Amino acid sequence: GAGVSQSPRYKVAKRGQDVALRCDPISGHVSLFWYQQALGQGPEFLTYFQNEAQLDKSGLPSDRFFAERPEGSVSTLKIQRTQQEDSAVYLCASSGGVQGVFYEQYFGPGTRLTVT
Amino acid sequence: QQQVKQSPQSLIVQKGGIPIINCAYENTAFDYFPWYQQFPGKGPALLIAIRPDVSEKKEGRFTISFNKSAKQFSLHIMDSQPGDSATYFCAAKKVSGTYKYIFGTGTRLKVLA
Repeated sequence: GAGVSQSPRYKVAKRGQDVALRCDPISGHVSLFWYQQALGQGPEFLTYFQNEAQLDKSGLPSDRFFAERPEGSVSTLKIQRTQQEDSAVYLCASSGGVQGVFYEQYFGPGTRLTVT
Repeated sequence: QQQVKQSPQSLIVQKGGIPIINCAYENTAFDYFPWYQQFPGKGPALLIAIRPDVSEKKEGRFTISFNKSAKQFSLHIMDSQPGDSATYFCAAKKVSGTYKYIFGTGTRLKVLA
């Protein structure tokens, strides 16, 4: 079946622009995660959804970052007034399990955001 | 306490060699330790994972060794091939009570033909 898909795959934004990054999780997966991966680094947790509920947003670096998953499937990560330090690959992952129950996370290919 | 330290940063081996990548953690509450493989332009993909109740796990050419007392674990790739050239990340998490993966900084492996 289809894996996690993300769009766009590449995004170039001018500093100060708003961007929206989309994640389509594996069908039926309850849990959805967003990670930020800086160049040459491992992924860093941003936020977690269980269905439509955002249970943890402790990794979001500032209030310019906002994520939603209104119907419990597709999720959007929005970054307002982008800054150069926001340049990174944004990874989405989904999992069939819920918090406290272990299931593997499956990652999408990521969106590479470059802020000029 | 949340860090996972990974080494080396990069590694070059000849085809057939056995690259070894090491990770160390601090939080003794971690109880699940996966390794991910990432090719350029792709998301990380799970290779193999271990729980701390065993000291070694093998899947195909990939082996994890786990040393609970030292809080260290390592990935060995047997009979490495050029197709194994990728970036490898270790990670750690608590299976119960949390869902966050803490990732290492990655090891870029190149296997020469």
